[in-house]
Amino acid sequence: QQPVQSPQAVILREGEDAVINCSSSKALYSVHWYRQKHGEAPVFLMILLKGGEQKGHEKISASFNEKKQQSSLYLTASQLSYSGTYFCGTESGNRDDKIIFGKGTRLHILP
Amino acid sequence: EPEVTQTPSHQVTQMGQEVILRCVPISNHLYFYWYRQILGQKVEFLVSFYNNEISEKSEIFDDQFSVERPDGSNFTLKIRSTKLEDSAMYFCASRRGTGVGEQFFGPGTRLTVL
Repeated sequence: QQPVQSPQAVILREGEDAVINCSSSKALYSVHWYRQKHGEAPVFLMILLKGGEQKGHEKISASFNEKKQQSSLYLTASQLSYSGTYFCGTESGNRDDKIIFGKGTRLHILP
Repeated sequence: EPEVTQTPSHQVTQMGQEVILRCVPISNHLYFYWYRQILGQKVEFLVSFYNNEISEKSEIFDDQFSVERPDGSNFTLKIRSTKLEDSAMYFCASRRGTGVGEQFFGPGTRLTVL
């Protein structure tokens, strides 16, 4: 079952903050966050693992509440380059598990 | 930095024709995936592949679809008889090993079925 993302769309001015939420009705092993720009492939932002481990490589933070099966992505001091569609994806923890993606949150940053 | 590559970037075909989409995963990765994205919609899982066999497939991945790793480097998705609704971006992804980790996505192949 796909995770549910909110909001569906956000419009911000450069420098403002945003929070994107992702929730699942299934027990989660991990949550992945990807950003996709129009016509391009999804780009990995962050993975949050059950137990608290977090892996990422951009100046973006996220939280993962295992009990509530929710994750939030925090974008602070947004830049124009942050514009795109943000997808959360969830895994249930099988060895070669697929990612089930949410419908995405469109983020548009205005100068 | 190693990356997943896909060819062609755009494929146009007539309904009923066979297409083969090609992917070269990152060389030391063991798990391979195909996803598709219909324009404006979410990314959908099609199939996962490990140790030269399909690990899991979605309901989208019917008998018209097949995957193969014909040599040590390529990973292909074949659609035997394309339908209009197969028009989408097809992404290949690979993952290094067991356990949870990043899936690296290729740039995608845009398939247009006329």
